[in-house]
Amino acid sequence: TQLLEQSPQFLSIQEGENLTVYCNSSSVFSSLQWYRQEPGEGPVLLVTVVTGGEVKKLKRLTFQFGDARKDSSLHITAAQTGDTGLYLCAGGLSGGSNYKLTFGKGTLLTVNP
Amino acid sequence: NAGVTQTPKFQVLKTGQSMTLQCAQDMNHEYMSWYRQDPGMGLRLIHYSVGAGITDQGEVPNGYNVSRSTTEDFPLRLLSAAPSQTSVYFCASTKGKTGVGYGYTFGSGTRLTVV
Repeated sequence: TQLLEQSPQFLSIQEGENLTVYCNSSSVFSSLQWYRQEPGEGPVLLVTVVTGGEVKKLKRLTFQFGDARKDSSLHITAAQTGDTGLYLCAGGLSGGSNYKLTFGKGTLLTVNP
Repeated sequence: NAGVTQTPKFQVLKTGQSMTLQCAQDMNHEYMSWYRQDPGMGLRLIHYSVGAGITDQGEVPNGYNVSRSTTEDFPLRLLSAAPSQTSVYFCASTKGKTGVGYGYTFGSGTRLTVV
């Protein structure tokens, strides 16, 4: 069973601060995806990374896939109150499970004004 | 662009009652799945389908049934509701293989309380 561990579980910061959220596993994944979930809504896909060492930027958000494809990080620069939400990482596999995703338990981010 | 539509949004059931959670997508996605989300437990896969007529169990299938008669619809049936099934349920679909980077589109969820 592939597991994804996210840290920290909770994060509360002031507007304007930078932060990094981590997603780690002992297993290799073919892809790593990040979702954001707001209260009362379903998760929404932010980004997918598929190549070891890959870095993607989405405005103030920077996503990195580890060289060994076992870990990923999400860095937010100058956080805003609108960044508040639950951030979920999810790993995709190839082969027989190639439509499934394994989800981490999430990091609940609160950005205070 | 409706995406994935789940109904109802909220539901309260008595122990032992049965009900069906509806899920429909209009994106012609072959793969659909049901998750439950509980505090501290994350998203757990209940059942999934790789196409019409094909379903399989996820990690927490007990007490739930699914069927997939069309590409668009993937209902989840609770056979005899128990308080342990109190949760938020999400339906999701994807166009292609997650291993090459296709992501999921989620519905907005059904919050179920069993009393």
